[in-house]
Amino acid sequence: QVQLVQSGTEVKKPGASVKVSCKASGYTFISYGISWVRQAPGQGLEWMGWISGYNGNTNYAQRFQGRVTMTTDTSTTTAYMELRSLRSDDTAIYYCARSGFYCRTTSCYIDSWGQGTLVSVSS
Amino acid sequence: DIQMTQSPSSLSASVGDRVTITCQASQDINNYLNWFQQKPGKAPKLLIFDATNLETGVPSRFSGSQSGTDFTFTISSLQPEDIATYFCLQYGDLPLTFGGGTKVGIK
Repeated sequence: QVQLVQSGTEVKKPGASVKVSCKASGYTFISYGISWVRQAPGQGLEWMGWISGYNGNTNYAQRFQGRVTMTTDTSTTTAYMELRSLRSDDTAIYYCARSGFYCRTTSCYIDSWGQGTLVSVSS
Repeated sequence: DIQMTQSPSSLSASVGDRVTITCQASQDINNYLNWFQQKPGKAPKLLIFDATNLETGVPSRFSGSQSGTDFTFTISSLQPEDIATYFCLQYGDLPLTFGGGTKVGIK
């Protein structure tokens, strides 16, 4: 079955960077993309962007452009999300999720999710 | 961005009750909507895809329907194991957006 296993809790200071990993198994990694979604305390879910498992193409949500980098390693079927210049309002649970092969209108669905990684940003 | 207005934000019902949750899209998303269940500390689980299709292995008491930009998720007979938060996701347009979630409890 599809499994997405994420790295553990991170505690960071404002201005630092964080890199979260997402190890995929149970499906053909290059046939899908990976979306990253976050949920701040008491807030709703927010899509951050998508990366192709096939060729590393990305589609970032506008508000994260310039501050986020998503990468993959097909040899280990692992996706990564790096967020820079962290602020206190970046404190959230970050999820990876299996997503469509393409990320265009109507194709960027999400079906399976990782367990989430808590990133806490505090001075 | 497409706004997904989900209601109610929480509800309590008795075992065996019919439970209904709605998501209203701010513009046409065709049928590009999924429903998920999330239990505390667990990964969300896909229940309904493309608005009305039951994911494999999901009990038939869960269902989804659509009328235009209004989407309805129903649990026909609430069970104790259904205690969770439910949310919708639209992928009819980018960026993907989510409903605010509905926390379902037992009365």
